[in-house]
Amino acid sequence: SQELEQSPQSLIVQEGKNLTINCTSSKTLYGLYWYKQKYGEGLIFLMMLQKGGEEKSHEKITAKLDEKKQQSSLHITASQPSHAGIYLCGAVPSGRDDKIIFGKGTRLHILP
Amino acid sequence: NAGVTQTPKFQVLKTGQSMTLQCAQDMNHEYMSWYRQDPGMGLRLIHYSVGAGITDQGEVPNGYNVSRSTTEDFPLRLLSAAPSQTSVYFCASTRGALTEAFFGQGTRLTVV
Repeated sequence: SQELEQSPQSLIVQEGKNLTINCTSSKTLYGLYWYKQKYGEGLIFLMMLQKGGEEKSHEKITAKLDEKKQQSSLHITASQPSHAGIYLCGAVPSGRDDKIIFGKGTRLHILP
Repeated sequence: NAGVTQTPKFQVLKTGQSMTLQCAQDMNHEYMSWYRQDPGMGLRLIHYSVGAGITDQGEVPNGYNVSRSTTEDFPLRLLSAAPSQTSVYFCASTRGALTEAFFGQGTRLTVV
């Protein structure tokens, strides 16, 4: 079965610093989603990647899918308190495009 | 445009009671899913549906039933609640494969 590993599990960063969150799959991905969740709230869509080597940006957040389509990284530049929350990667398994399986999430804390 | 609506937002059940978590979407999306979120576990897929009359099991289906009689609604039934089902439940819908998944605000369920 498809497994997604997110690292780190938790991250504490000084405001203004850059950071990277990784998402690794045990199998080739058909597609990869990144979502953000404020503590105790619903999920906010950030971006979706489908092609190997694809890179997308939204404001200060950039995500990339590697050429083999088994690993994605999410990079935040000049972090702000509004970036705090849980970041979840979700994968569409190859051959089964009808469901999304999520990793365990990365908790991000921003220190002022 | 309401998006994905989940009811109730909070619920406390006694062990052995049954209940239905409601999920409705007004975007005419074909795909709908139910997830549960537990501390440190990310989102785990319970059941999903690719259209009216079609449902399939996810990663943790035991103890839950679903049906999809209409495109708009995808209720999740707990036939005999157990403390292990204490969790936050999220419903999601997508237009189709590899498109943005829209999430409801969640239902916080406590089974005592």
